[in-house]
Amino acid sequence: AQSVTQLDSHVSVSEGTPVLLRCNYSSSYSPSLFWYVQHPNKGLQLLLKYTSAATLVKGINGFEAEFKKSETSFHLTKPSAHMSDAAEYFCVVGAGNNRKLIWGLGTSLAVNP
Amino acid sequence: ETGVTQSPTHLIKTRGQQVTLRCSSQSGHNTVSWYQQALGQGPQFIFQYYREEENGRGNFPPRFSGLQFPNYSSELNVNALELDDSALYLCASSGDRGKYNEQFFGPGTRLTVL
Repeated sequence: AQSVTQLDSHVSVSEGTPVLLRCNYSSSYSPSLFWYVQHPNKGLQLLLKYTSAATLVKGINGFEAEFKKSETSFHLTKPSAHMSDAAEYFCVVGAGNNRKLIWGLGTSLAVNP
Repeated sequence: ETGVTQSPTHLIKTRGQQVTLRCSSQSGHNTVSWYQQALGQGPQFIFQYYREEENGRGNFPPRFSGLQFPNYSSELNVNALELDDSALYLCASSGDRGKYNEQFFGPGTRLTVL
């Protein structure tokens, strides 16, 4: 069975400092992994996805994530936070022929001036 | 290129009633997925439609049903509404059913059941 755990429900950083949002996954298959962002009153937007190509994945808005199979992790990072990055972030796993995508509970990112 | 749209944006119903939510997929997309997002939770997969047929279903009871039309727009129907059905219902469209290609989400329909 597939599952995903976002290790922090809330993260607060200062503008200009690095962002780290942590995600661990469990999958019986070679997983596909995604990070989505949800701004208040807006739809979900894909930040990046891992589908068994390069382990370091670059996404939009300066975000990137590294797939580490030995640690079953897919942490999301950004070198320098902007105020506009304040949002809810979801780590998502999909695997095998199962067409369901399994979503984490989300991490709320606050960016302080 | 028109994005995914959903209607209505907000809806208030009472227990036992029935509701229909609508979704127009992004141009060129033939697959629509529906999700339920309760307050403070991540989205939960309800089901997916590909070329007018159900193509996978999550752990939701049969009173959650759907349709996809020839133009690939879709409806989500919920019968015998319960208080726990109060949530944001999200529709997402994508271009291929078999791969985890990017799903494009609509803004959602906020359903409140009283």
